[in-house]
This record gives sequence, C-alpha cells and structure tokens, in this order.
Amino acid sequence: DAKTTQPPSMDCAEGRAANLPCNHSTISGNEYVYWYRQIHSQGPQYIIHGLKNNETNEMASLIITEDRKSSTLILPHATLRDTAVYYCIVRGNAGNNRKLIWGLGTSLAVNP
Amino acid sequence: EPEVTQTPSHQVTQMGQEVILRCVPISNHLYFYWYRQILGQKVEFLVSFYNNEISEKSEIFDDQFSVERPDGSNFTLKIRSTKLEDSAMYFCASSGDRLNEKLFFGSGTQLSVL
Repeated sequence: DAKTTQPPSMDCAEGRAANLPCNHSTISGNEYVYWYRQIHSQGPQYIIHGLKNNETNEMASLIITEDRKSSTLILPHATLRDTAVYYCIVRGNAGNNRKLIWGLGTSLAVNP
Repeated sequence: EPEVTQTPSHQVTQMGQEVILRCVPISNHLYFYWYRQILGQKVEFLVSFYNNEISEKSEIFDDQFSVERPDGSNFTLKIRSTKLEDSAMYFCASSGDRLNEKLFFGSGTQLSVL
C-alpha cells in the first residue's frame, strides 16, 4: 500500500498558487518524497523530489517539514494546463526497493 | 525533450491470445519499467529491468508475463495468454541514472481484452 495520504480533490483559481499537501508519517530515513502528475489519459510526468531540504525547479516547489512527516507541493502560478491528478510517493533509493507505489492522488482542478 | 515512445496506442485482443506491447525508451537510459493502470484505479508496478535482467517484479507479474530488450533499443512486454482482467493502460518508463531519481513515462498502450 502507498505510504502517503492526500486529499482526494482540490480546486484552485487560475494564476493563483496551488498548495497540495501530503502526509507520510511513516517515512524512513533513506526514503525520498516524489511528486508526479497525470494529466487525463496521459502517462505520469515527474515533477520534483526531495529528501529533507526544500526543493525548487521550473515546475514547482517542494516544502518538506523538519520531521519529514509531511510535505507540500506548490505550483506558484497555476494554469488550466495544470489540471491533473497529483501523486505524492515515498520511495527508497537503494537496492531493489525503487518501485513507485501509487495512491489515488489529489485531483486538482484549476478554474478560470 | 527526449521521450519514451509506446506502440500501439490501442490494442484489442481476444481472451487467450498473446500480445506484445512495445516501448522505445530514451536512448541513453539504462533502467526500464512497466506499470499498468486499470480504469479508475491506481497505477500499479509490474516489473523493472536493468542490465538485461529483471531486477524487481510485483505479484501481478506472473509467468504469463515476460519482458525483453531484443535489440538494444526496444523494450517489450509480452502477455502469453490474455485474460479479461488484463485490460488496462500499460505504461513503459525509463530512467538514466543509478538512483532512478526521475522516471520518464510513455503515453501508454490501452489494452482491451474481449
């Protein structure tokens, strides 16, 4: 089973920041937090990942709490094309424990 | 940006028939994966492949499934005798780094078993 908990759905106004929360209270020390998204009928798309420090790239920012039990994905200026299901995934990076275990994600609707 | 290519985009087959789903991973990538998603359900891991052998597989990936990298560019998933419950979207993914930090997914093959 997935080690993460996400709200099933969220709404966001176009141009505003979308803040998507994720709980991963059982995360272990060598596990990373990954975010992927899936736009309807397409393959999943990598967004960002992190271990304990906050991360930022051209798509989003990832804020991980100090105890690493939760994180927030931030899309700073959401557009209609950001409407998708967003998946928060905890994953190890060692040995054979690298598969992605998916939950149901958060369905984000960006509204005009 | 380089991309993972999957063919066909749709495959319809009769129960009991063999199907081969094809994928062309990104050219310098070394780690390859198959995932599937039954309509309305979670994405599920099937198998990972590195250095010409399976490195990890799920319970779904039983002896009806096999993978192959026949020619150094293609990566295939074969289902020997399809069942109705194999109907799903099958995604191929590849990664180029040792830590598999970023997976690139194809757009999927929708398999319908009748």
